Amino acid sequence: GAVVSQHPSWVICKSGTSVKIECRSLDFQATTMFWYRQFPKQSLMLMATSNEGSKATYEQGVEKDKFLINHASLTLSTLTVTSAHPEDSSFYICSARPEISNQPQHFGDGTRLSIL
Amino acid sequence: AQSVTQLGSHVSVSEGALVLLRCNYSSSVPPYLFWYVQYPNQGLQLLLKYTSAATLVKGINGFEAEFKKSETSFHLTKPSAHMSDAAEYFCAVSVRNNDMRFGAGTRLTVKP
Repeated sequence: GAVVSQHPSWVICKSGTSVKIECRSLDFQATTMFWYRQFPKQSLMLMATSNEGSKATYEQGVEKDKFLINHASLTLSTLTVTSAHPEDSSFYICSARPEISNQPQHFGDGTRLSIL
Repeated sequence: AQSVTQLGSHVSVSEGALVLLRCNYSSSVPPYLFWYVQYPNQGLQLLLKYTSAATLVKGINGFEAEFKKSETSFHLTKPSAHMSDAAEYFCAVSVRNNDMRFGAGTRLTVKP
C-alpha cells in the first residue's frame, strides 16, 4: 500500500537551532501534502497545506516565517522549524494526498521534536 | 468550514464488550469522514473511511461505522473489544479530500 516516510522520527536539539523534517511519498506522487502538529494528549491541528511548486497555505495563527515549508518535488515536502524554542516541542505529522482524488491521505509516522 | 465533535474523551469497556465511539460532523457540503487509531508515540492508522458510497463502512480489525446524514453522525463500533484495541481514536472530516479536521480524540481503555 501507499507509504509516507517521515524523517527523522525523533530529534532533540538546543534552543535556537533550526530543524528540518522531511516527508516523502514513497510509491505515489503527491501534489498536495499537509503538515499537522499534535501536543501531548491533544488532537492534530492542521498547520499548513504544502503545494508542489507553489507557496504553502498556512492556517490562521501559524507563523510562516517560523515554520518554513518547501515542496520542491511531487514526492517530497519539508518543514523547517527555524530558531526553535522549547514551546515548539511537539509531535509533527505529515500526510500526502495521492493524485487519485478519492484516495485517502496517507500519514507519516510523525516526528517528535524536543527543544531543550 | 467543516468540523467534527467526538463525544466522550475517554471510553472504558470490558474485554468482549461492545465498543461505541461517537462522532458528529458539521459540513456545508458532502463530507469525507474517517476514523483513525493512534498508539502511543506513533502516527495514525486508518481504520475506515466514508466517501459517499455505502453508508455502512467496514474497516480493519473488526471496526465499522455508519454514516447517518439525518443525525450528522459517523459513530465507530466494534462488537467485541480486545485488549489490543486500547488506543486513542480520532474522527476526521475533509471536503473533497482536502485538508482534514480532526476531533479531539477518544481514549479507549479495555479492562480484562
